[in-house]
Amino acid sequence: GAVVSQHPSRVICKSGTSVKIECRSLDFQATTMFWYRQFPKKSLMLMATSNEGSKATYEQGVEKDKFLINHASLTLSTLTVTSAHPEDSSFYICSAKAERGTDTQYFGPGTRLTVL
Amino acid sequence: AQSVAQPEDQVNVAEGNPLTVKCTYSVSGNPYLFWYVQYPNRGLQFLLKYITGDNLVKGSYGFEAEFNKSQTSFHLKKPSALVSDSALYFCAVRVPGGRRALTFGSGTRLQVQP
Repeated sequence: GAVVSQHPSRVICKSGTSVKIECRSLDFQATTMFWYRQFPKKSLMLMATSNEGSKATYEQGVEKDKFLINHASLTLSTLTVTSAHPEDSSFYICSAKAERGTDTQYFGPGTRLTVL
Repeated sequence: AQSVAQPEDQVNVAEGNPLTVKCTYSVSGNPYLFWYVQYPNRGLQFLLKYITGDNLVKGSYGFEAEFNKSQTSFHLKKPSALVSDSALYFCAVRVPGGRRALTFGSGTRLQVQP
């Protein structure tokens, strides 16, 4: 099946710093990628939809200036958490959808962000 | 608006017994339905999906799910549970032609006891 990678898998940073998370589709082109956030023992909450070559579409309540999303190519989307605070600590998961073929989304392994 | 309900936070079953994880949905129109599994500190792995056609869908690792339009349900089943099936299971839905992102249920933790 299709493979999606995320880097880093785990990051610890100080409050006030920025962190970039990469999401790559390894063996297919993904014109659309999604970024989710998962709190402990909770479901996935969609943060934004990322389309290659255009601005991301953010869900209501998600701060665009805090969670910067860039979809620079058909295989790479990045999420930058700017001026991170402890409340941003979470598990961030991306998924990618191949434009052709099935409707299935393939998920990355997730990135655990801890802000001290 | 579309929504998914997983009424059970946790399901406990003995190894070798059949298991069922429940899911009901609410959408306008015909749904695309999915099941994903998540192991600790990992991303989601695709199990199976219903798009159209046969109501009984077979997926990975011996799992299957039945689409029931009248009951708006898409329960996940497996005839004989394994200890290694213990994980967090998510049901998800989207509507064709609508928003492409999935709407997830709250998740059900499956615990298979040896």
